[in-house]
Amino acid sequence: DSGVTQTPKHLITATGQRVTLRCSPRSGDLSVYWYQQSLDQGLQFLIQYYNGEERAKGNILERFSAQQFPDLHSELNLSSLELGDSALYFCASSAGLASDTQYFGPGTRLTVL
Amino acid sequence: AQSVTQLGSHVSVSEGALVLLRCNYSSSVPPYLFWYVQYPNQGLQLLLKYTSAATLVKGITGFEAEFKKSETSFHLTKPSAHMSDAAEYFCAVSFSGGYQKVTFGTGTKLQVIP
Repeated sequence: DSGVTQTPKHLITATGQRVTLRCSPRSGDLSVYWYQQSLDQGLQFLIQYYNGEERAKGNILERFSAQQFPDLHSELNLSSLELGDSALYFCASSAGLASDTQYFGPGTRLTVL
Repeated sequence: AQSVTQLGSHVSVSEGALVLLRCNYSSSVPPYLFWYVQYPNQGLQLLLKYTSAATLVKGITGFEAEFKKSETSFHLTKPSAHMSDAAEYFCAVSFSGGYQKVTFGTGTKLQVIP
């Protein structure tokens, strides 16, 4: 158990809908990262937050947004969903910006029908 | 631009044999390099990372990787494969030093034959 939790574990929805994925980092970790793993695109870094502020953006679509709350949990919002958004979405956390290690959650599997 | 190339999408080794998973990088600035492992139906786990402190990096579960600038390589090795090493391994590169803005390779699935 990495200490990073993600909910829900599975999510099935329809095209055009909006969903919210939630991540709780390890206790004390200030940095949260979101990644997408799909058959087409492979593994991609989406976005990073540190202590409530956005720190880095990767290949995140404009239809997607994220935030980190004062209690340090983070949410990834995906809107106007398309079939191609079906993927595993991972969250990870680290203590700081360049910590020795990084811990991943079990992922949320999103299926868009 | 930064990128990594993993040679071989599938690698098979016998239990007890040497494991060698290849990764070559491309980066216009000194890179930071990572190896991640993904066990079947599980999330990712950071194996090790190179941040210029030492060219030979030791990771968890007996794996290590050597940074070779002249060859632009960061191959992952383990002297003796164990059945529990069967997983998919991802090489990644960034120029930031942290874990943000990493670019992942396409992955290598390691099969360990008893």
